[in-house]
Amino acid sequence: AQSVAQPEDQVNVAEGNPLTVKCTYSVSGNPYLFWYVQYPNRGLQFLLKYITGDNLVKGSYGFEAEFNKSQTSFHLKKPSALVSDSALYFCAVRDGNNNDMRFGAGTRLTVKP
Amino acid sequence: DADVTQTPRNRITKTGKRIMLECSQTKGHDRMYWYRQDPGLGLRLIYYSFDVKDINKGEISDGYSVSRQAQAKFSLSLESAIPNQTALYFCATSDLLAGGINEQFFGPGTRLTVL
Repeated sequence: AQSVAQPEDQVNVAEGNPLTVKCTYSVSGNPYLFWYVQYPNRGLQFLLKYITGDNLVKGSYGFEAEFNKSQTSFHLKKPSALVSDSALYFCAVRDGNNNDMRFGAGTRLTVKP
Repeated sequence: DADVTQTPRNRITKTGKRIMLECSQTKGHDRMYWYRQDPGLGLRLIYYSFDVKDINKGEISDGYSVSRQAQAKFSLSLESAIPNQTALYFCATSDLLAGGINEQFFGPGTRLTVL
């Protein structure tokens, strides 16, 4: 079965600095990769996805992610962090051979002014 | 997302009680999902449904059942609630696009506490 690892429980960055939230995955078939964000007392919101094509994927709110097949990674990045980016971020993977999605444990991003 | 609603938003119940959580969507999506969220574990899939006549078990279906009453409605039941079912429950929907690879839209969640 597919799986996702988010190695950092917490990431702290200063406002204006670049941010990276890490994600690695394991699948048997082609990976379909997603990033979601969860703000307090809200459901998850979709940020971006990689299905095929260009390894650099651009998404909502200035976020982007790079698919690296050799390293089985899909790290989320943003060139300049905002305080309002502070939230819980989830990476998710779906194996092309089956129908369910597996989520990582989540990384809490805190951006300090 | 206001297009996916969940009721109730909060529920406190006792061990052994039967509980139903309801999800409705106005997005017109065929696919619906139930997840539970626990701190440090992320989201885990309980059940999913690709249309009214299709129900599938997810990663952690034991102790749960579901009903897809209509395209827009997907209910989750705990037949006899136990304390370790205390969690935040999310309903989600997705559209059936070509290739079937598409993002999910989540409801606001139901916080369930089993005493």
